This record gives sequence, structure tokens and C-alpha cells, in this order.
Amino acid sequence: GIQVEQSPPDLILQEGANSTLRCNFSDSVNNLQWFHQNPWGQLINLFYIPSGTKQNGRLSATTVATERYSLLYISSSQTTDSGVYFCAVAVSYNTDKLIFGTGTRLQVFP
Amino acid sequence: EAGVAQSPRYKIIEKRQSVAFWCNPISGHATLYWYQQILGQGPKLLIQFQNNGVVDDSQLPKDRFSAERLKGVDSTLKIQPAKLEDSAVYLCASSFPQGAAKNIQYFGAGTRLSVL
Repeated sequence: GIQVEQSPPDLILQEGANSTLRCNFSDSVNNLQWFHQNPWGQLINLFYIPSGTKQNGRLSATTVATERYSLLYISSSQTTDSGVYFCAVAVSYNTDKLIFGTGTRLQVFP
Repeated sequence: EAGVAQSPRYKIIEKRQSVAFWCNPISGHATLYWYQQILGQGPKLLIQFQNNGVVDDSQLPKDRFSAERLKGVDSTLKIQPAKLEDSAVYLCASSFPQGAAKNIQYFGAGTRLSVL
């Protein structure tokens, strides 16, 4: 089955810093989503981005489907950005079953 | 708009006992998913419903896990009997199956299960 790898596994930042999270996947996908799981365990959908670029405030994401990777950019990080960021993909047109990556744990300190 | 509701938030049981989790998806969302998230890992899909029919249950351990969505709205996930390795967070998600929002999944807060 498809492999979804994220890097780095852990990231420690000071407030105000910028960061880039990467997601590599081993097969063509028809669905790619970025999620933030806060310290209380709630998963929040950040982007639905099977291809192209999107921006939402301090966050933006780019997926290059032909090269099988996606990037999540966080600018001017805040302590509330702390948590785990997951990339999830789906490969089938018959089901939207998501395969989650390994996650990047982000800690932002004041 | 109300989000995906799950209950209970926490559950502690002993191995070999039974447990059930409840999920109420976002109103109008025909697709419902149950995921298992073991500590330190990403969520793994257990079962997907489209209305009250099963779309994918390939990773559901059917000897002990069962799920139903009888009226195409609420869903319950049951474990009987529980094993130590079932300790995890059980997440419910829902999505609207058509239009621009298709395939965007919205998650509940989850039920944290500890099996002792």
C-alpha cells in the first residue's frame, strides 16, 4: 500500500519563527489533507490540497502531485500552533479512505 | 454549525470487558468514519459508512469489533471482548459526499479508551 512519510518528526521553535513541514507519498493520490491535532487531541482540517497552492492566514500549503510531495508552511509561529501536524492521502476513486502519515510534532515556546 | 459529537470522552475498562462508543456526525453528512489512533501514531481507518451501508471495513478486526449506523445518522462502535492493545483514541469523522466539500473530513474530539 501507499507509504506516507513526514519530516521532520519533531520541531521546536521560538514564537515568531517560520517553519516548513514536508509530506512525501509513494503513489499518485486523488486526495491530500493537512490536519493539526492540538494538545487536547482534536483534529482540525487545515487544507484539502491534492494539487496546487492554498493560503489561509499564516498557513499555506503546496502540493506537487507529479513529484509526490506536499509542504505546509507556518509563518510567524504562535504557541497555539503547538501540536502534531498530519498529512493524509487517499488513492482510490471508489473510496475516500485516508492514509495518515507519521506526523510532525511541533512545539512553539514564547 | 455543530461539529461531530462523540461520547464518552474517556473510558477505562478491564480486558475481556465490552465497551461501546457513540458518534453523531455533522447534520447532512452522509459519510461517517471510525478511526483508531494508537499513542504516537496517525489515525487508522476502521470502518466507513455511506448512509447506513458499509463502504470499507477492511481494517476492522471483525472478531471483536462491530459498528452500525442503522438510520444513516448516529453510529455506534463496539468492542467485545476488549484486549490490552485496544487502548487508543477512537475518532469519528464525517464528510459531505458531494460538491466542493467532498472528501473533506471533519473529526470529533474522540473517545480515549484505556484497557487494564
